[in-house]
Amino acid sequence: LAKTTQPISMDSYEGQEVNITCSHNNIATNDYITWYQQFPSQGPRFIIQGYKTKVTNEVASLFIPADRKSSTLSLPRVSLSDTAVYYCLVGDRVNNNDMRFGAGTRLTVKP
Amino acid sequence: EAQVTQNPRYLITVTGKKLTVTCSQNMNHEYMSWYRQDPGLGLRQIYYSMNVEVTDKGDVPEGYKVSRKEKRNFPLILESPSPNQTSLYFCASSLKPAAYEAFFGQGTRLTVV
Repeated sequence: LAKTTQPISMDSYEGQEVNITCSHNNIATNDYITWYQQFPSQGPRFIIQGYKTKVTNEVASLFIPADRKSSTLSLPRVSLSDTAVYYCLVGDRVNNNDMRFGAGTRLTVKP
Repeated sequence: EAQVTQNPRYLITVTGKKLTVTCSQNMNHEYMSWYRQDPGLGLRQIYYSMNVEVTDKGDVPEGYKVSRKEKRNFPLILESPSPNQTSLYFCASSLKPAAYEAFFGQGTRLTVV
């Protein structure tokens, strides 16, 4: 299971774009990269998933370079309500038997 | 509506009194799992189940039991709760583990006194 490394915390201001990078040097060929968001006392919520290049949905974008050893979650024009913990997970769709969360990145958006 | 339902949301109990936290999903997912979340320790997986009658230990299984008799239900059982099991518990389900979108329940805040 590829280990992931993220910054412990980040601060931003309303209206800014926020980029959170996740390092996964040991990512395997079949691994996908998935990001979750968690608000206090709530369960994590799926944000986005990708395999390579760029994925965009109504909430965020995910950038994955060609070597796939890292990925960047991009949140456009954050608001106070985006204050949460963001988790990066890496795993494949065939062999993974578990789903382990790392420490995540605590994003604080200030007015 | 696709959802994972946990009950109860809040529970205060005494040491040694057996309890069960229920988890049910309506998405016909094969994979279900339980996590506990404690301040400073993040989400730690307790048990997971790949399908009916198939369960396995996660990172912190001591003091817990699970069963998967039906696809939709995955109860968490504490046979003899202790204060160190005071925590926030989440149940999750997904089509498959890891690389598929997982849906989480609302959480159960358990206090053992």
